[in-house]
This record gives sequence, C-alpha cells and structure tokens, in this order.
Amino acid sequence: QQQVKQSPQSLIVQKGGISIINCAYENTAFDYFPWYQQFPGKGPALLIAIRPDVSEKKEGRFTISFNKSAKQFSLHIMDSQPGDSATYFCAASTLYNTDKLIFGTGTRLQVFP
Amino acid sequence: GAGVSQSPSNKVTEKGKDVELRCDPISGHTALYWYRQSLGQGLEFLIYFQGNSAPDKSGLPSDRFSAERTGGSVSTLTIQRTQQEDSAVYLCASSLDNSGLSYEQYFGPGTRLTVT
Repeated sequence: QQQVKQSPQSLIVQKGGISIINCAYENTAFDYFPWYQQFPGKGPALLIAIRPDVSEKKEGRFTISFNKSAKQFSLHIMDSQPGDSATYFCAASTLYNTDKLIFGTGTRLQVFP
Repeated sequence: GAGVSQSPSNKVTEKGKDVELRCDPISGHTALYWYRQSLGQGLEFLIYFQGNSAPDKSGLPSDRFSAERTGGSVSTLTIQRTQQEDSAVYLCASSLDNSGLSYEQYFGPGTRLTVT
C-alpha cells in the first residue's frame, strides 16, 4: 500500500533527446507527488511537484504527467542536456501529512553529448 | 541563505562503536526529517520531528537507533553498536512545517557512514 515503484533504474539519453521516468503508487490517499533531483555528493533537491487535480504540470523543460485512474505519474525531460545527468527520485504522500514522503528507488540518468 | 548542514560529511567507524550524526536545519524550519540512503536504494524514512517532539519514529530500523532535537533546531542521530549493514548515507531534511503549502523538504548533503 505504501510503495512507490520507479522505473527504469538507469537511463542513457543522447543530448537533445527526451528522458522519461515512470512511477506507480498504490495508496489512493496520496495527493502530492514531487520529483527530486540528486547530483553526486549532494542531497536531493525538489525539482517539480504535482497534485492530482491536474493531469500535467510543466516547468521549463520538465513536465510531470499524472494518470489518476492508473495510479501512475511520470517525469519527462525535453531537450535533455548533459547537465541533467543526475539521479531522479519520485515520491508520494498525502499533502497534509508530508512527513510520510514515500520515495521511489531512483533513476540514474546519463545524458551524452 | 544557509541551507541544511550536516556533520561530519564522512565517518568511518569500527563495528560495535557508537556514532553521532548532526543536522542543522534551515533557521525557522519547524519540521526535521532523517532518511537513510543505501547504495542503489531510494530514501528510507527514519524519523520525523515537529519542533522538539518526534511524533513518528516508525522508520527507525532497530533500538540501536535514536534521535533527539533540542531547542527546535539542531538534531542528532545516534547509532549504537554500529553494524556493517548500517553503512549508508544519512540525509537530513527540514521544512517550514509539514502541512499546507510549507511542505517542501530541503535536504542537506548527507553524512556518508562506513562501518568496517
């Protein structure tokens, strides 16, 4: 019930390509879905987040797509750049109980020039 | 402005020794979180503080793990009688509080613990 499943585990993309990372959750009470970006030796940093009242949220080259009926959400990175190379974590919680952020296992993205 | 800081950045200890990991949250943040990140794994929730109290200790893996927070600020995570399976990066995060629009968690750089 509390798991968030993330795939793929690793992803290699050519510069300029689209990176897509998928997550699935089980708990229908979840209503807050953030994505975190982590560079080596650093802590994760919030990248973008979505609530289920919208099906898509875009910030620059980063877009979250949300499918409530399928209990899935995904991160799309358009025009991927080498500087996007990092580990990406999806997470989920209820908005008013965010001490219980449940994280996915992470996706290591490598963007080659 | 200053972010979340953690010390030490790296800690190597012998099996059976006790270790203390420190977290300084962002000033004014009332909520503080500890996570453990093992190689190739996601972030495992350990404990959460609201002010000085810890309403949720459910993630602590054993009674060898404990944490405290004093003055609503600095927090210390203590691991007693360390085992090799305790080797991981321990991350601390803080947020303004844990509800409404103040929920973004800001992470520190972590403490890499190696138990030999």
